[in-house]
Amino acid sequence: GENVEQHPSTLSVQEGDSAVIKCTYSDSASNYFPWYKQELGKRPQLIIDIRSNVGEKKDQRIAVTLNKTAKHFSLHITETQPEDSAVYFCAARFQGAQKLVFGQGTRLTINP
Amino acid sequence: DVKVTQSSRYLVKRTGEKVFLECVQDMDHENMFWYRQDPGLGLRLIYFSYDVKMKEKGDIPEGYSVSREKKERFSLILESASTNQTSMYLCASINPGGENGYTFGSGTRLTVV
Repeated sequence: GENVEQHPSTLSVQEGDSAVIKCTYSDSASNYFPWYKQELGKRPQLIIDIRSNVGEKKDQRIAVTLNKTAKHFSLHITETQPEDSAVYFCAARFQGAQKLVFGQGTRLTINP
Repeated sequence: DVKVTQSSRYLVKRTGEKVFLECVQDMDHENMFWYRQDPGLGLRLIYFSYDVKMKEKGDIPEGYSVSREKKERFSLILESASTNQTSMYLCASINPGGENGYTFGSGTRLTVV
């Protein structure tokens, strides 16, 4: 069935360094890939998304890349700051559906 | 800004009780979803609805049902609560084109004792 795998489950980086979170998806016809950030005790918030007709998208310190051939997409955070500490979820929308299938989540910790 | 409101932030219920979790959105979204969130498992889809009185099973519907009598309200029902249903429950809605991803509610942390 439809599946999204996310790695790593936890990630710890020094403030100022970069962080990369990777996801793979099962359905090659998937067309939409959002990333959500969930701070402690809060709801998930959309931080960036990419559609299947685009290979890369940037928004200030965050970027997402998509490799359709390999069926994987990645979140890149540069110049990390303490406020980047959160759980991050990737997701994929599979062909013909409105529902999203989520990865397992990555707990990112930025060490000062 | 779209608002998705879940009626309860925290709930404690007893095993065997019938539990209702309510979700209301104010932006005329057609599509609404219920997920549960558990550590290490991410968000798993329980049920979703594309229209009033319409419902479809997600990946883990067992032990749950839903009701969508009005477009803005989507209710999750635990027919007979069990301890393995202790979890964070998240409601979400999306516009018909799905252009901007989900908007989530603030979540209901349910504890079944």
